[in-house]
Amino acid sequence: GNSVTQMEGPVTLSEEAFLTINCTYTATGYPSLFWYVQYPGEGLQLLLKATKADDKGSNKGFEATYRKETTSFHLEKGSVQVSDSAVYFCALRNRDDKIIFGKGTRLHILP
Amino acid sequence: GAGVSQSPSNKVTEKGKDVELRCDPISGHTALYWYRQSLGQGLEFLIYFQGNSAPDKSGLPSDRFSAERTGGSVSTLTIQRTQQEDSAVYLCASSFSQHGYTFGSGTRLTVV
Repeated sequence: GNSVTQMEGPVTLSEEAFLTINCTYTATGYPSLFWYVQYPGEGLQLLLKATKADDKGSNKGFEATYRKETTSFHLEKGSVQVSDSAVYFCALRNRDDKIIFGKGTRLHILP
Repeated sequence: GAGVSQSPSNKVTEKGKDVELRCDPISGHTALYWYRQSLGQGLEFLIYFQGNSAPDKSGLPSDRFSAERTGGSVSTLTIQRTQQEDSAVYLCASSFSQHGYTFGSGTRLTVV
């Protein structure tokens, strides 16, 4: 079946540090891949997406590349800010139109 | 409306009572999804509607859970005889295109 595995948190970094949150997936066919973010007290928001192999999704300085050979979609940002503190969810969507989420990674950025 | 609206935002109920959670999707969005987010857990899929029909109910945890959608718009998730393990944030999302999911802010349910 379809599943998403992402690194457990919490992840604590200092401001301006480099961020990587690992995500790997298992799926039949060719799913679309997503990163969602949940800021404190807010709902889930789509951060970025990639719909086919080698696509790179990017938004707000975050990037993730769809790697079919390693079934991965790792989230990266070169210089994090305190305002990036949130919970990040990796997700996939296959043809049946249902999104499968990972368990989320809580990110704390220290000033 | 401008976004997905869920009500109530918070609900505290006694064990054994029934609760109804409401989701008002974005106008024109044909697909509607319910998820559950428990403390320390990811998002658990519950049910999916396409129009008024539910092609995928596979995530409903027990027969105490049911959902309906009328007029291709508002959906209600009903939990009968609530238990403490039902305490969670219940999230609704709607979608029109293949890739666009918009989530509501959720209903935080606490069963005491």
